[in-house]
Amino acid sequence: DAKTTQPPSMDCAEGRAANLPCNHSTISGNEYVYWYRQIHSQGPQYIIHGLKNNETNEMASLIITEDRKSSTLILPHATLRDTAVYYCIVRPGTASKLTFGTGTRLQVTL
Amino acid sequence: EAQVTQNPRYLITVTGKKLTVTCSQNMNHEYMSWYRQDPGLGLRQIYYSMNVEVTDKGDVPEGYKVSRKEKRNFPLILESPSPNQTSLYFCASSCPSGGFCNEQFFGPGTRLTVL
Repeated sequence: DAKTTQPPSMDCAEGRAANLPCNHSTISGNEYVYWYRQIHSQGPQYIIHGLKNNETNEMASLIITEDRKSSTLILPHATLRDTAVYYCIVRPGTASKLTFGTGTRLQVTL
Repeated sequence: EAQVTQNPRYLITVTGKKLTVTCSQNMNHEYMSWYRQDPGLGLRQIYYSMNVEVTDKGDVPEGYKVSRKEKRNFPLILESPSPNQTSLYFCASSCPSGGFCNEQFFGPGTRLTVL
């Protein structure tokens, strides 16, 4: 599976957009980009995934660059409840296994 | 409500005393997996199962056993727990029958301490 690189931590003011970057320069053509988050020590929670097109759901938007070597997860209006560790994961579409890195710890502040 | 449940949520035990952590899902998922999470090491996969009676080792299987006799259940067994198995454990499931393996659902976690 392709390796991902994320900043270890980020801050965001409540109500502002949180933009979390992920670098996956060795991604293969059949690999998807997935985002999960873990709030405190709870079980990780699925956020969104995409292959090459930008995706949006009720939680977030995923922007994937045209060369697919990087992506950005956007939380449009961050709240205190979005404080969590966010994991960017790439994996083949046919695979089930998730390989977690160390993620980005997002701190949303008043 | 679609969910993955684990029991117990917290467990303190002593070295060598066999224990089982149960995991159950109600989403008719074919894939189930166990992870452990340790500070600084992230989540690492212990074992996984693609379907009933089909199990395979993940990245850190030593000291653990699993079984998949029913689709909904995937217990994690520690035959002789040791202090280095003190950790936070998560069960996860994915892949509805005939569907895509996109979202993986995680249980609430089991915090195990081995003295």
